[in-house]
Amino acid sequence: QLVLTQTPSASASLGASVNLTCALSGGHSTYAIAWYQQQPEKGPRSLMKVNSDGSHKRGDGIPDRFSGSTSGAEFYLTISSLQSEDEADYYCQTWDTGIQVFGTGTKVTV
Amino acid sequence: EVQLLESGGGLVQPGGSLRLSCAASGFTFSTYAMTWVRQAPGKGLEWVSAIVGGGGKAYYADSVQGRFTISRDNSKNTLYLQMNSLRAEDTAIYYCAKGAMQWLISYFDYWGQGAPVTVSS
Repeated sequence: QLVLTQTPSASASLGASVNLTCALSGGHSTYAIAWYQQQPEKGPRSLMKVNSDGSHKRGDGIPDRFSGSTSGAEFYLTISSLQSEDEADYYCQTWDTGIQVFGTGTKVTV
Repeated sequence: EVQLLESGGGLVQPGGSLRLSCAASGFTFSTYAMTWVRQAPGKGLEWVSAIVGGGGKAYYADSVQGRFTISRDNSKNTLYLQMNSLRAEDTAIYYCAKGAMQWLISYFDYWGQGAPVTVSS
């Protein structure tokens, strides 16, 4: 059973960087994940896909301040040069044979 | 420009039914899997159901299996979610989302604005 675990909260100052973690269990080493941002009172927005080799593909209009990486069964989202509009909930997601699973989400406070 | 527009949300009594629609535009609808995702008040995102581009295969979360039915009309570029035997715990905002990879159920690149569903007597 696929499970994605995220730290509930993270905080950093304006202009600083923050690293979010998404731990995958129940899967295998070739899994990829995706990251989504949900600002307060808004719908989700797709940020990027992160492959098992650490390569990532950002969605349309996503600035390069957002980057992804991986190490083993852990996937990371790094937000650099934090801005006030980056204050949001961030979710990771993966999939397998039709089933799609979301992580528990991380609330980022700037 | 990709657009996804949900409709059909509202207030329904426990045990009742509701059908959500998601009108899509800006891409070749029939070649992409589509998914319904919901978010209960104050909670995280929860996958509900997914359907492949041709409509021949659908998948459901255990929480809705046997009560919800996903379908699509590729001639109308529209995705549906028929929700029966609704429970209070189905109260949520329901989002439709477009698959990012042609033909595959995977991750999402575009989302609708959401349709609120409230199940209450």
